[in-house]
Amino acid sequence: AQSVTQLGSHVSVSEGALVLLRCNYSSSVPPYLFWYVQYPNQGLQLLLKYTSAATLVKGINGFEAEFKKSETSFHLTKPSAHMSDAAEYFCAVTLYNNNDMRFGAGTRLTVKP
Amino acid sequence: DVKVTQSSRYLVKRTGEKVFLECVQDMDHENMFWYRQDPGLGLRLIYFSYDVKMKEKGDIPEGYSVSREKKERFSLILESASTNQTSMYLCASRVPGQAKEQYFGPGTRLTVT
Repeated sequence: AQSVTQLGSHVSVSEGALVLLRCNYSSSVPPYLFWYVQYPNQGLQLLLKYTSAATLVKGINGFEAEFKKSETSFHLTKPSAHMSDAAEYFCAVTLYNNNDMRFGAGTRLTVKP
Repeated sequence: DVKVTQSSRYLVKRTGEKVFLECVQDMDHENMFWYRQDPGLGLRLIYFSYDVKMKEKGDIPEGYSVSREKKERFSLILESASTNQTSMYLCASRVPGQAKEQYFGPGTRLTVT
């Protein structure tokens, strides 16, 4: 069964600093991978997704993620954090032969001025 | 723009009440999902529906049922609400396909007292 692990339930960065949110998946076959963002009192919004095309995926709001099969990782990065990036971020995975989408526990990002 | 709406943003119910949570999507998506979101646990799938009148149990279906009589509407029913069902409930929809992202509603925060 596939699952996804997000390392760090809370991450705090200063405004302008690099954002790195970690996600590792466990799957014997290449999965489809997603990053979602949830702002306070809102639903989830898609940031980006990996569907076996380019391994470096660019998303909205300056975020990107790199699929590394050898490390079973799909970490989310942004070169320079903005106050508006403060939110909760979820990594999710589906397999090619399975309709289930599995979510990580989430990482809350705080951006300090 | 895909729009998924949920009938209530906040709901307070008493133990033992029957509770209906409604979800409507306007993009003719075949697949619809109900999740609950709890701190530190991410999103857990309660039920999903491939199409009208079709439903499948997710990971935590106990205490819940669903109804999908029309393509655009997916209802979650708590037959007899209990305090451990206090949570955030999120509805999502998508076109079929594992590489397809899900679109989320804003969520309903349910409190059972």
